[in-house]
Amino acid sequence: DAGVIQSPRHEVTEMGQEVTLRCKPISGHDYLFWYRQTMMRGLELLIYFNNNVPIDDSGMPEDRFSAKMPNASFSTLKIQPSEPRDSAVYFCASRSGTDNEQFFGPGTRLTVL
Amino acid sequence: DAKTTQPNSMESNEEEPVHLPCNHSTISGTDYIHWYRQLPSQGPEYVIHGLTSNVNNRMASLAIAEDRKSSTLILHRATLRDAAVYYCILHRNNNAGNMLTFGGGTRLMVKP
Repeated sequence: DAGVIQSPRHEVTEMGQEVTLRCKPISGHDYLFWYRQTMMRGLELLIYFNNNVPIDDSGMPEDRFSAKMPNASFSTLKIQPSEPRDSAVYFCASRSGTDNEQFFGPGTRLTVL
Repeated sequence: DAKTTQPNSMESNEEEPVHLPCNHSTISGTDYIHWYRQLPSQGPEYVIHGLTSNVNNRMASLAIAEDRKSSTLILHRATLRDAAVYYCILHRNNNAGNMLTFGGGTRLMVKP
């Protein structure tokens, strides 16, 4: 398996623009997680899905953030409108229902100017 | 959620053992102790986890105190590639316990 795949790897956008981050989890994994990492706040969980259903979105900062998982092999994290304080590295991770180990993708580095 | 306390940074010499401590004095009986590490410019990767007994795998060993209020991740022979931030995380294995809460971690520097 290629592991968790994220795209794009880098994104530079201007304030107010819509940003969509994409994630393909490892095939067969039941759980998908979105994290954000900044120098100030470290690594924070934003939302996670189980069998494509959002279970806990308490970490989503505000209504500008939304996440979807239309099927078992694809998820998106959307920011609309983006702000400079959204600049961070966004990680997607997945795990199977029978294992404790989370597998992380390489991350998307987002810069909002 | 129970919290963990780790030193901000540690240094080691290459090919020597490294002991990374973690305190978790408020751990509950159902909390597993997980360790992840994050290499520069990469996502975190799983290292090891345990509940009560010491654990070994190809990457590391995990020594858990008898009262479970602390644990130590042991790298038997540090290499330059082991330079990373190491996170000690408590993970409650129930329906609500699918989330990993990352703290500040310990930045391990390995000197040649």
